[in-house]
Amino acid sequence: AQTVTQSQPEMSVQEAETVTLSCTYDTSESDYYLFWYKQPPSRQMILVIRQEAYKQQNATENRFSVNFQKAAKSFSLKISDSQLGDAAMYFCAYRSGANDMRFGAGTRLTVKP
Amino acid sequence: NAGVTQTPKFRILKIGQSMTLQCTQDMNHNYMYWYRQDPGMGLKLIYYSVGAGITDKGEVPNGYNVSRSTTEDFPLRLELAAPSQTSVYFCASSPFEGRIDEQYFGPGTRLTVT
Repeated sequence: AQTVTQSQPEMSVQEAETVTLSCTYDTSESDYYLFWYKQPPSRQMILVIRQEAYKQQNATENRFSVNFQKAAKSFSLKISDSQLGDAAMYFCAYRSGANDMRFGAGTRLTVKP
Repeated sequence: NAGVTQTPKFRILKIGQSMTLQCTQDMNHNYMYWYRQDPGMGLKLIYYSVGAGITDKGEVPNGYNVSRSTTEDFPLRLELAAPSQTSVYFCASSPFEGRIDEQYFGPGTRLTVT
């Protein structure tokens, strides 16, 4: 079964600095998708960034970028120029071709002013 | 568009009671999902639907039932509520075409069973 592991329950960053959140996954599939979701105190799940496994180029969305290492099954999220509004729970997620999605346990990010 | 809406936002149930969590989406998405999120944990898939009239079990279906009579609605039914069902429940949808792998989430329902 596919599993997603986030080894950092909590992370902290100074405003305007850069932080990297780690995620590893286990799968025997060759074709799949990876995601980072943000969950603020409102509990709404917000898609931050997505990566297709067949693409070698790392995805980027404004201040958010990923480091996708397919052989190592690693998918880290880098947040540049951190803002107070970035404070939230961040979930790494995996999805294969089937209608199934697996989530990690989450990393709580605190942004210090 | 309202996106994905869920009702109620909060609910307290006694052990053995039943209830239905409502989920509606106005994006004409074929795919809909129900997840639960336990404290300090990621989401786990309960049930999903690929279209009206079609539903299937996810990772943790026991104690729940779903139906999908329309494209818009995907209610989740809890029969004989148990304390283990205390959780936050999220409904999500995704389009049949295009970004099929991207799911849009509702705001969640916090359920407590005592």
